[in-house]
Formats: sequence, C-alpha cells, structure tokens
Amino acid sequence: GESVGLHLPTLSVQEGDNSIINCAYSNSASDYFIWYKQESGKGPQFIIDIRSNMDKRQGQRVTVLLNKTVKHLSLQIAATQPGDSAVYFCAENIRRGDSGGSNYKLTFGKGTLLTVNP
Amino acid sequence: DTAVSQTPKYLVTQMGNDKSIKCEQNLGHDTMYWYKQDSKKFLKIMFSYNNKELIINETVPNRFSPKSPDKAHLNLHINSLELGDSAVYFCASSQGGPLPRKPQHFGDGTRLSIL
Repeated sequence: GESVGLHLPTLSVQEGDNSIINCAYSNSASDYFIWYKQESGKGPQFIIDIRSNMDKRQGQRVTVLLNKTVKHLSLQIAATQPGDSAVYFCAENIRRGDSGGSNYKLTFGKGTLLTVNP
Repeated sequence: DTAVSQTPKYLVTQMGNDKSIKCEQNLGHDTMYWYKQDSKKFLKIMFSYNNKELIINETVPNRFSPKSPDKAHLNLHINSLELGDSAVYFCASSQGGPLPRKPQHFGDGTRLSIL
C-alpha cells in the first residue's frame, strides 16, 4: 500500500523476517543498477550494485536479483533488523543520448519505505 | 573521515534572495553531482562535473549555477530564490565519470526552505 503524506510504497515487516523490495526500471538498454538506503535526515547510502550481465549478486544479508526480460529488480534483506528501517531506492544508469560514454546519468526510482517492527 | 560533506546543513531564506551551497569530497573521485530531492522523496539529477568540466545539465533554470574550482569541490549558487526551490539538495561523487558500473557516494544534504 501507500503511506499517506509521502505517497511512497510501503513495506512493513517483523524483526527477523526476510524483506523483499521490488523495483521496475524503465530502460531496456540500462546496464548497471544500484540499490540505495536513505535514513531520515541522511543522504542515500550505497548498499549493492549489479551489472546487466548478471542476474544475482549477494552481499552481507542482502541479495539483488535482476530480471531483464521483465525489467525488474529486487532487493532481498535477510533477517531484517530495526536498523534496516529506511527508504530504499533502486537506480539505473541510463544513456542520455547517442554521443557516447560520458552521457550516462543515474535515474532513481520512486523509493519504498521499509518499516521493521520489533 | 572520508566523506562527501555539504554546508550548510540547513538554509532558511526569503524568496528573491541569492544563496550558495558548498560541497567537498575527500574520496579522490573525479566526478561530482548535484541532485534535488522533493517533498515526495523523488531524487533527480541536476548537474554533473567531471574533472571540473560540466558534463550533465538537466534542464535546470539558469538561476542555478554550479561551479567546480577543483575536482574535490562543487558548489551550487542559486539566484532569485523561488518557493519551488524548497527541497533537499544532495551532492554526490564517483570515480571514472558518470559511466556505468561505479556507485555514487552522497553527502547528507542541504535542506533549503524558502519563506
């Protein structure tokens, strides 16, 4: 559902459960994706990235899955903790034009608010 | 500490004023960015500099003028502030230009409120 006020998709989980945050990206030519975590009053913090030649990448307690067929990205957090409560953003690196390598920009998704209940 | 640092953290000012936000990174990166985050948390790129050269300018009004005196600094000057400029402005940096496969590192933002 959506959180009133912020209008962000929200996910509420119990401490210790696994969380899955989903993201649909826009450009089939995007070849690099990043997940960021943003806590209240802070800047986005890098969590994990994945290149388009992979479909899965694992970090510490986090896994990113990439499905290029349906342009879908997900972030799985194992054993979710209260400190994981934050807004999570996916971002894709999109080529801006036809003029070459310097014309990429990072485009962010809408963000998902994760709330972990103790 | 290694970081991207922005000043000021909070900026409250009157409509019509001119203000500047400063950003410094000590990560040794060669590319720096300014982003704007609105009240709905939507984050959008404004500018990017690579080795002091402007490489991205995303249809931002001319009232916004970035300046990069060296690779470690990217400042943002805003003229004739308007109510719609109220937002959180984030500075970020990365290595290797805005090419694929390099994560950007963000500062903690400057919260700009226009009265």
